[in-house]
Amino acid sequence: EIVMTQSPATLSVSPGERATLSCRASQSVSTKLAWYQHKPGQAPRLLIYGASTRATGIPARFSGSGSGTEFTLTISSLQSEDFAVYYCQQYTNWPPGLTFGGGTKVEIK
Amino acid sequence: QLQLQESGPGLVKPSETLSLTCTVSGGSISSSGYYWGWIRQPPGKGLEWIGNIYYSGSIYYNPSLKSRVTISVDTSKSQFSLKLTSVTAADTAVYYCARMEWLHWFDPWGQGTLVTVSS
Repeated sequence: EIVMTQSPATLSVSPGERATLSCRASQSVSTKLAWYQHKPGQAPRLLIYGASTRATGIPARFSGSGSGTEFTLTISSLQSEDFAVYYCQQYTNWPPGLTFGGGTKVEIK
Repeated sequence: QLQLQESGPGLVKPSETLSLTCTVSGGSISSSGYYWGWIRQPPGKGLEWIGNIYYSGSIYYNPSLKSRVTISVDTSKSQFSLKLTSVTAADTAVYYCARMEWLHWFDPWGQGTLVTVSS
């Protein structure tokens, strides 16, 4: 099983600042990586797929990069609605299947 | 706009079977290229993939849950279902259903439903 490790677990950022979230895979997943935003009580929302392609309707302040085992989600200027938990997910290893990272909580500093 | 809605009991007794249904609206569950999946999130923990199914019946399960999980699809009702047997408190979680682009990413997701395992 491919293990996805996200860091940091919690990121304290002021509105308007840049946030950089990391996701590391235990083995190469090429660019088969997605990022999700999850707010309490809401459905998770797809942000990025293919490591760097924004999903439909996702603002340009969200960007993804990386390949192989190291990936980054960058939020260029945090808005109030961006405070949430972010998960990465790999989808290269079928079977046995996909795995999620443990999440990074972006909180208001 | 495609929407998914989970339904089922919010409380299940230990050792019994958890049963949930996801109803798909605003699109066809038989669309080519899409699987339909279940994901869960225990309280205070991260997301865990449970399994997914294609409208034709092709299924993949998380190996860690495979012995207890059954996913099925009813295209006539635009629904797919999850059964998890022999539940314990560790199965307490918010359960989400979602559409999966081939065997890739999930989009969109349902709102989720909390299932508590307790006597």
